[in-house]
Amino acid sequence: DVKVTQSSRYLVKRTGEKVFLECVQDMDHENMFWYRQDPGLGLRLIYFSYDVKMKEKGDIPEGYSVSREKKERFSLILESASTNQTSMYLCASGTPGRGGGYTFGSGTRLTVV
Amino acid sequence: DQQVKQNSPSLSVQEGRISILNCDYTNSMFDYFLWYKKYPAEGPTFLISISSIKDKNEDGRFTVFLNKSAKHLSLHIVPSQPGDSAVYFCAAWEAAGNKLTFGGGTRVLVKP
Repeated sequence: DVKVTQSSRYLVKRTGEKVFLECVQDMDHENMFWYRQDPGLGLRLIYFSYDVKMKEKGDIPEGYSVSREKKERFSLILESASTNQTSMYLCASGTPGRGGGYTFGSGTRLTVV
Repeated sequence: DQQVKQNSPSLSVQEGRISILNCDYTNSMFDYFLWYKKYPAEGPTFLISISSIKDKNEDGRFTVFLNKSAKHLSLHIVPSQPGDSAVYFCAAWEAAGNKLTFGGGTRVLVKP
């Protein structure tokens, strides 16, 4: 089975800090995604990547950037954390075409104080 | 504007009965529809999907129905079990965009 590993389960950061969320997948998937989950809003796509060095904005990219230097690793960066970025962050990899689904990591619960 | 909507934020059902979760969408170009299940403090797990050219797909206790004319799909869980208590997300995929769009989720509670 594909495994997607997020480096931290819980993080507490201060407003204005630069925050790095790391994600690693072990199945050689080309596609990787970062979502945030908020109550009532479901999962919203922040950024995604189809290949190394490649990135695409999702629906809510403001305040975030990403890095994909290696195929298995996709990092989400909060340039200057704000309280409205307190959320559950979920990394996924895979291709849902032909009915298959993404594989998600366990998530990182980020609190910005 | 949300392209995928789950209008019921929660659902409570007795063990052994049927759970019906609903999802509406606006984009007629979606190619696949998927359901994910999420427990607290875990990532969502893929449950079942249906192609836009089908109207029904069944996998064990889970059946998904698609009504394209109404832009509506539903997930039936029969019989419901306490372990089914979770948040369920409807999602839709368009090949052109190669990304999943999720609904807001429905929290299901199955009472023993």
